[in-house]
Amino acid sequence: DGGITQSPKYLFRKEGQNVTLSCEQNLNHDAMYWYRQDPGQGLRLIYYSQIVNDFQKGDIAEGYSVSREKKESFPLTVTSAQKNPTAFYLCASSIVGSGANVLTFGAGSRLTVL
Amino acid sequence: QKEVEQDPGPLSVPEGAIVSLNCTYSNSAFQYFMWYRQYSRKGPELLMYTYSSGNKEDGRFTAQVDKSSKYISLFIRDSQPSDSATYLCAMKVEGQNFVFGPGTRLSVLP
Repeated sequence: DGGITQSPKYLFRKEGQNVTLSCEQNLNHDAMYWYRQDPGQGLRLIYYSQIVNDFQKGDIAEGYSVSREKKESFPLTVTSAQKNPTAFYLCASSIVGSGANVLTFGAGSRLTVL
Repeated sequence: QKEVEQDPGPLSVPEGAIVSLNCTYSNSAFQYFMWYRQYSRKGPELLMYTYSSGNKEDGRFTAQVDKSSKYISLFIRDSQPSDSATYLCAMKVEGQNFVFGPGTRLSVLP
């Protein structure tokens, strides 16, 4: 079955540590996205990439970094510079082109800072 | 004012009720309108999407878009306990990224 796999599902981090969240898709989608979800707020875009070796900042990129070395993979690193990293992180993918380009989401990764 | 507003709920209804979920928005340029369903601790899944104004029906679900009022709705007929989830509206302009509402939490009581 085609889909998006995020790992780990749960992650705990000590303050001052960097952590990397994995996102892999086998949908052959060109675009991939990282969103952050906090209670009572809509999904907020962190970074997105429409092609390998290229990515753009979203609305809340500070304290995060990404890479896109392969079409299938778009890992997100939450750095120690992110002031409030505890959240639910969602990876998504879509086709690129005209039209709705609906998002397909992974199951999410919950990061908790201790 | 937020670009997309949605009543967070929680909304509790008895099984079999008709549910109405709504979003309002401020950007008249939005063209594509989506509804996603998200179960607790899971990723959102696409329920329906519409382009521009009008209605779209899929089984027990009907999506309506009223661009003149900047208002979209999702109706669920014969609601089931399995419909208990958070419902997110999302919308976009061609060539731009999606903007999401905060979600409405729905509980359908048996």
